[in-house]
Amino acid sequence: EAQVTQNPRYLITVTGKKLTVTCSQNMNHEYMSWYRQDPGLGLRQIYYSMNVEVTDKGDVPEGYKVSRKEKRNFPLILESPSPNQTSLYFCASRRAGTSRGTGQETQYFGPGTRLLVL
Amino acid sequence: AQSVTQLDSHVSVSEGTPVLLRCNYSSSYSPSLFWYVQHPNKGLQLLLKYTSAATLVKGINGFEAEFKKSETSFHLTKPSAHMSDAAEYFCVVSESGNTGKLIFGQGTTLQVKP
Repeated sequence: EAQVTQNPRYLITVTGKKLTVTCSQNMNHEYMSWYRQDPGLGLRQIYYSMNVEVTDKGDVPEGYKVSRKEKRNFPLILESPSPNQTSLYFCASRRAGTSRGTGQETQYFGPGTRLLVL
Repeated sequence: AQSVTQLDSHVSVSEGTPVLLRCNYSSSYSPSLFWYVQHPNKGLQLLLKYTSAATLVKGINGFEAEFKKSETSFHLTKPSAHMSDAAEYFCVVSESGNTGKLIFGQGTTLQVKP
């Protein structure tokens, strides 16, 4: 089954304790992305990756790191979590598409990771 | 820059009545537009997308949306609401260029009353 998986699904941690949220897709997609969802704000992009070893900042990258060493995996790293990073996180992937039609490609989302930082 | 505005944060309908969720977009080029649905404690599921083919787009579960360039709108409709339609709905525009970033509206919560 084609899917995007995230782990863990739920996480409670304390301020300053490093954590990693894993994301994996089995669709051989080039493009992967992380979003956070906060009430009344919709989803906002944190980081994205257009292919292996190619990553870039989204709209809200502060306090996060990512890496893309393999095509299927795109972990999100919080080096020193703070309470304002309490949120619902989604990983997404899609095909690269053509240069003209890249925006038309459907993004597939993981089930989400709910993070609480105390 | 592209943006999306969902005009209602909350919509309540009775089961069997029509659904209308409103979305306006801002884009300097011909956009790709999407509607996603999020059921409680679930991930995001694509309902439908517009990619400059037909202006009336049919999606899953009886939903459809019409792209109206003159009104910069992409409203989501369904003729008859079902209890299982209760969820949060997001109107989304895809950013131009190669970032592939999706720009989300704030979301509309649909309540369906028996």
